[in-house]
Amino acid sequence: EVQLVESGGGLVQPGGSLRLSCAASGFTFSDHYMDWVRQAPGKGLEWVARIRNKVKGYTTEYAGSVKGRFTISRDDSTNSLFLQMNSLKTEDTAMYYCSRVAVVVPAANDFWGQGTLVTVSS
Amino acid sequence: DIQMTQSPSTLSASIGDRVTITCRASQSINGWLAWYQQRPGKAPKLLIFKASSLESGVPSRFSGSGSGTEFTLTISSLQPDDFATYYCQQYNSYSLTFGQGTRLEIK
Repeated sequence: EVQLVESGGGLVQPGGSLRLSCAASGFTFSDHYMDWVRQAPGKGLEWVARIRNKVKGYTTEYAGSVKGRFTISRDDSTNSLFLQMNSLKTEDTAMYYCSRVAVVVPAANDFWGQGTLVTVSS
Repeated sequence: DIQMTQSPSTLSASIGDRVTITCRASQSINGWLAWYQQRPGKAPKLLIFKASSLESGVPSRFSGSGSGTEFTLTISSLQPDDFATYYCQQYNSYSLTFGQGTRLEIK
């Protein structure tokens, strides 16, 4: 069974940092690109970042709203995905979802975790 | 970035109705369009990919169509589980973008 379990969310002050983690199981993690997608309270979905697989050199893409502040990374040896978030702003408050990209790209996000909530507030 | 515009924003319908949601892209996305369903408090679920391909395990009452810049999601006969919010997403180019969502309500 495919599972994605996010952790690391919480309350942080503006300007602070937080590191999110996503533990993957039930599939060959190293084969897949992986995304972070967020959803502000009561709002729609916003793609945040993507990391490709080893074949594609672990290259990354970012939304303009987070570029230069957030860093996506992965550890294929532990089937883990990460999102380092620095210089956090109140507008970064959201549920953050870890999501798997289907193996044949271009591809949609075919599996999602349940999310971890990040609240940026003083 | 490619802008994705869904209509309507809210749709009221009854069990058994046929409903259609439209998604328009600000430029061609070469058919790289997905539809997701999100129930309250839950993660999104992939329904349709490549504009018209049904994801495994998704009921056949869901269908997608379209090309170029205009796409539709159709539910042929609404069931109680279908009342949720639906999002389109383009994955043709970065930044990947979603529509603003269509909330499907019970009439």
